[in-house]
Amino acid sequence: AQTVTQSQPEMSVQEAETVTLSCTYDTSESDYYLFWYKQPPSRQMILVIRQEAYKQQNATENRFSVNFQKAAKSFSLKISDSQLGDAAMYFCAYRSPEGAQKLVFGQGTRLTINP
Amino acid sequence: EPEVTQTPSHQVTQMGQEVILRCVPISNHLYFYWYRQILGQKVEFLVSFYNNEISEKSEIFDDQFSVERPDGSNFTLKIRSTKLEDSAMYFCASRTGTGGAEQYFGPGTRLTVT
Repeated sequence: AQTVTQSQPEMSVQEAETVTLSCTYDTSESDYYLFWYKQPPSRQMILVIRQEAYKQQNATENRFSVNFQKAAKSFSLKISDSQLGDAAMYFCAYRSPEGAQKLVFGQGTRLTINP
Repeated sequence: EPEVTQTPSHQVTQMGQEVILRCVPISNHLYFYWYRQILGQKVEFLVSFYNNEISEKSEIFDDQFSVERPDGSNFTLKIRSTKLEDSAMYFCASRTGTGGAEQYFGPGTRLTVT
């Protein structure tokens, strides 16, 4: 079974600075999808960014980018120019392309933005 | 923009009572999911539903749980006899039939069992 590990329970960063959240995963599949979700205090799950494993190019969405290292099974999220609204729980998630395609989540990292 | 909706936003129930959590997935979506998040913990998969049947379920999804798509729009999660440990946020999600399609999450229902 696939597992996702986020080793940083909490992170903090100064406003306008850059922060990187770590995620590793374990799988025997060669093709899969990886995601970062943001969960603000409202607890809504908001998709931040996705990466297809077959793509070598790292995904970017405005201030958010990933460093996808397939051989190392690592998928980190970089947030540039951090804003107060970025404060939230961030969850890394894995999804197989087969079967029901359920999401397997990591434990989450709570990100605090210091003004 | 279409979105997944869930009702109620918060449900308080007594231990042993039955609850039904309701979801309206996006209209052209074919795959439906329920996830659970106990406060302070990670989001966990409960069950997936496709073509009017369960396609996969987790160990959490025991005989106390059931899902149903009673009509063309609603997708429900029933807990027959709630326990204190069922207190959690329950998220519904849906996606199209396209391989690799996004799962869109609803806002969640907070279930409190007293």
